[in-house]
Amino acid sequence: DAGVIQSPRHEVTEMGQEVTLRCKPISGHDYLFWYRQTMMRGLELLIYFNNNVPIDDSGMPEDRFSAKMPNASFSTLKIQPSEPRDSAVYFCASRRGGSGANVLTFGAGSRLTVL
Amino acid sequence: SQQGEEDPQALSIQEGENATMNCSYKTSINNLQWYRQNSGRGLVHLILIRSNEREKHSGRLRVTLDTSKKSSSLLITASRAADTASYFCATDKGGSYIPTFGRGTSLIVHP
Repeated sequence: DAGVIQSPRHEVTEMGQEVTLRCKPISGHDYLFWYRQTMMRGLELLIYFNNNVPIDDSGMPEDRFSAKMPNASFSTLKIQPSEPRDSAVYFCASRRGGSGANVLTFGAGSRLTVL
Repeated sequence: SQQGEEDPQALSIQEGENATMNCSYKTSINNLQWYRQNSGRGLVHLILIRSNEREKHSGRLRVTLDTSKKSSSLLITASRAADTASYFCATDKGGSYIPTFGRGTSLIVHP
């Protein structure tokens, strides 16, 4: 398996533009997570899905952020409109189902810079 | 708010020395995990310790868990320059089995 695949690896955009980050989880993993990493706040959980259904989006900063998982092999995190404070590294992670198996496999991350 | 917090924030040692990092958390957990992050990369899982375990080993890694003190430690023995990375503890907040992370400990091992 190629692991969790994220794209793009780097994105530089201007304030007000729409940003879409993409993630392909490991095949067979039932859970998908989006995290954001900054120096100030560390690694924050934004939202997670179970079997393609959003379960908890309480970590999403505001309405400018939205996430979808149309099928088991693809998820997007969209920011519209983007702001400089959204600059961060965004990670996608996935894991198998089962309450005792919560070891995550992370993607390489998407580094977003909003000018 | 963060469930777990690592201490120290930064650690600098010489190759061959042992490195100890600590993690404190706030609420009861099902298990605690340690992850490693190399610069510019994603996090990689190192070891998981369940709430009914007190100590676990994996190669040069030793993890302890004290649920009465709500704390854990990660010991890396005989460190190598390649161990240079950030180390994070992750706890499942409120027994949800959903990992939340601290800010990490940045470890530098000088050759």
